[in-house]
Amino acid sequence: NAGVMQNPRHLVRRRGQEARLRCSPMKGHSHVYWYRQLPEEGLKFMVYLQKENIIDESGMPKERFSAEFPKEGPSILRIQQVVRGDSAAYFCASSPSPLAGNYNEQFFGPGTRLTVL
Amino acid sequence: DQQVKQNSPSLSVQEGRISILNCDYTNSMFDYFLWYKKYPAEGPTFLISISSIKDKNEDGRFTVFLNKSAKHLSLHIVPSQPGDSAVYFCAASPYNTNAGKSTFGDGTTLTVKP
Repeated sequence: NAGVMQNPRHLVRRRGQEARLRCSPMKGHSHVYWYRQLPEEGLKFMVYLQKENIIDESGMPKERFSAEFPKEGPSILRIQQVVRGDSAAYFCASSPSPLAGNYNEQFFGPGTRLTVL
Repeated sequence: DQQVKQNSPSLSVQEGRISILNCDYTNSMFDYFLWYKKYPAEGPTFLISISSIKDKNEDGRFTVFLNKSAKHLSLHIVPSQPGDSAVYFCAASPYNTNAGKSTFGDGTTLTVKP
């Protein structure tokens, strides 16, 4: 049973380019979360999605950042016109639906480390 | 305003001794608390959790204590082992429609010396 998959593991972009980070949740999980970890800091919540729905995007910067979780395929976190301050580790997590019981526990992927030159 | 705080950035203990990691929270809506462990270059992995209806949950060498009135929880690891060396994150979530969303502390780096 594969865990949460994220790709790429490392991504280098120049300022002004676009970054696309992909996350495939665990099999059977319908909820996806994106977190960002800046150096020497904890994980900061960005967005919470179900299939085709954004449930909570209170942690997403208002500009340049967007996320989707289509009916088919992985969840995508998209950062347009990247700046150096976007350099961070981006973690995706998934959890079962609320009907499955202990859905507070999240299963994390290995992260994508974004470096903006 | 940081709603989940881990005031000790680092902790060093001797192998075989007890490790105590602390966490404070401010949001009264938090109803469920979790500890995650993270090794370098990996994602966090779930360790142990506790709901607000309990004050203690134990799983092998790991015990989490919750003091709701003080809005404080702690993770006890006994006996500590070198393989426990990692960053430990405390997380909290409310029991509502967004219950899955967790608020994380900044982490405590635990070093267990052989």
